[in-house]
Amino acid sequence: AQSVTQLGSHVSVSEGALVLLRCNYSSSVPPYLFWYVQYPNQGLQLLLKYTSAATLVKGINGFEAEFKKSETSFHLTKPSAHMSDAAEYFCAVTLSGGSYIPTFGRGTSLIVHP
Amino acid sequence: DVKVTQSSRYLVKRTGEKVFLECVQDMDHENMFWYRQDPGLGLRLIYFSYDVKMKEKGDIPEGYSVSREKKERFSLILESASTNQTSMYLCASSRRDRALYGYTFGSGTRLTVV
Repeated sequence: AQSVTQLGSHVSVSEGALVLLRCNYSSSVPPYLFWYVQYPNQGLQLLLKYTSAATLVKGINGFEAEFKKSETSFHLTKPSAHMSDAAEYFCAVTLSGGSYIPTFGRGTSLIVHP
Repeated sequence: DVKVTQSSRYLVKRTGEKVFLECVQDMDHENMFWYRQDPGLGLRLIYFSYDVKMKEKGDIPEGYSVSREKKERFSLILESASTNQTSMYLCASSRRDRALYGYTFGSGTRLTVV
């Protein structure tokens, strides 16, 4: 079985500040991990993915995430927030050797203040 | 640009109506999925399909059915719409080697049942 927990339904930062969105997963086998972003009234867009290659994954729009097996975490970061980063962010996990249907977290809304 | 297109952005239907939500993808993807998204609950899988004319139940199939007569089209059917089916509905597709590439999502259909 697999599950994913996103800590904090809302995260608020000032423009230019560090963005940190937390994701912890539960998996009995090596996972594949994803971050998606959803802008208002739009579908989800893939930001980045971890598929057992490098543990530090770089995505679009300056975001990156680090896979830490010992902490079962895949936190999303960006050094400097921009107003355009305000959106809903979803972490997702799927398992190698399984049905490959991902389990999504409940989402974290990122609010960026001027 | 590759796309998943959902036929309607907004729909308002009456209780008891039969409702069709259409989704078309132009990427020749084998797999297609229907999710509903509700605040605080994230994305929940309704149905998915790995091939033409096949379908599998997801986590919340009750009150829904699907149809996949052609590879590019995946329809979600609400047999008798109810107010608790008011939600955002998201269609997604992926390649057969589904774990490695993530999903491509449509822009969503916001359905209101009155």
